[in-house]
Amino acid sequence: SQQGEEDPQALSIQEGENATMNCSYKTSINNLQWYRQNSGRGLVHLILIRSNEREKHSGRLRVTLDTSKKSSSLLITASRAADTASYFCATEESGGSNYKLTFGKGTLLTVNP
Amino acid sequence: EAGVVQSPRYKIIEKKQPVAFWCNPISGHNTLYWYRQNLGQGPELLIRYENEEAVDDSQLPKDRFSAERLKGVDSTLKIQPAELGDSAVYLCASSSRQTRAAQYFGPGTRLLVL
Repeated sequence: SQQGEEDPQALSIQEGENATMNCSYKTSINNLQWYRQNSGRGLVHLILIRSNEREKHSGRLRVTLDTSKKSSSLLITASRAADTASYFCATEESGGSNYKLTFGKGTLLTVNP
Repeated sequence: EAGVVQSPRYKIIEKKQPVAFWCNPISGHNTLYWYRQNLGQGPELLIRYENEEAVDDSQLPKDRFSAERLKGVDSTLKIQPAELGDSAVYLCASSSRQTRAAQYFGPGTRLLVL
């Protein structure tokens, strides 16, 4: 079963613009992670935010977490054509099996040159 | 550092045939995961190993799927017999105690059952 739900399902922007993707989940979590998947490839870990954190940055990535709303957002600033990929949020539930991640269905981001 | 290696990358078989996937995790990673990813969906965990012990196989369809991780390194996932609905990408991932939460994925094996 999938816990996270990404929104939107697909997003198309121009190079240089910012891209924002949202993730909602259902249960209490230890952490929330974002992964990127290029077409035909495996997933690449981007960033992890713990349940007691509200915001985290890594390069052009900014992640926020609102545990009261059970939601997270991923912002990619100054997007590049190479950012074209599917982006998945994954949650590690608290009280459950340690290190078990539950993935959402993903957001397909297309960055047009 | 070499990443997670999987083979084959692609496999086409007829239904009722057996198929096996192989995974070599990142050196030193004691935790290994097998996921299945259907088209347009996120990965779903099939089984997780801590060293050679399967600690979470609750999502593995045990009537036709089996897995092993001999010596706590390489792992093999087998389907016998394959069904049409097994067509998917099978992903292997690994993690270490040091970077426990972050998982490192291989490129996956794309299976098509005809």
